[in-house]
Amino acid sequence: EDQVTQSPEALRLQEGESSSLNCSYTVSGLRGLFWYRQDPGKGPEFLFTLYSAGEEKEKERLKATLTKKESFLHITAPKPEDSATYLCAVANSGNTPLVFGKGTRLSVIA
Amino acid sequence: KAGVTQTPRYLIKTRGQQVTLSCSPISGHRSVSWYQQTPGQGLQFLFEYFSETQRNKGNFPGRFSGRQFSNSRSEMNVSTLELGDSALYLCASSRSGTPDTQYFGPGTRLTVL
Repeated sequence: EDQVTQSPEALRLQEGESSSLNCSYTVSGLRGLFWYRQDPGKGPEFLFTLYSAGEEKEKERLKATLTKKESFLHITAPKPEDSATYLCAVANSGNTPLVFGKGTRLSVIA
Repeated sequence: KAGVTQTPRYLIKTRGQQVTLSCSPISGHRSVSWYQQTPGQGLQFLFEYFSETQRNKGNFPGRFSGRQFSNSRSEMNVSTLELGDSALYLCASSRSGTPDTQYFGPGTRLTVL
């Protein structure tokens, strides 16, 4: 059974304090790993799709990386507006639904 | 390009009633997936429709149903509402389903009293 585990569950950072969020997965044939950002009461906002180990993608202060067992979302010099829940999801080799992790709730304090 | 839209945004119902939620996907997207999100359970997959056919179904009771129209718009229906059905219901669209990237709508907040 495909599984996605995100850690930590919650993370509190000072503004400017860089850190990383982890997404560990077990999947039968990875076809894609997705990162989303979700603000309270809103729908998840797409950030990145990674397809193969070694791939990296960047957007502003965020950088996503992928290995054969996990993905990291690195946040460099975060600002309070980066506070949100970050969700990770995987797609396997079959035509089955995405499997989501429970998310990491990030708080950035000014 | 317009994003995924969902109506209504907020809904209050009482136990035993039924409800219909609507989702309009991004233009050109043929796959629509529905999710239920609660604080304790996270995102739970309900079902996926592609070209008017249900392609996948999650582990939800038969009270939850859906359909997709020829213009790719989708509706989901919950009959005989229970208190536990209170949640944020999210719709996501993609060009042709997994593993294409899914784009989410703003959600419908359903409260069952």
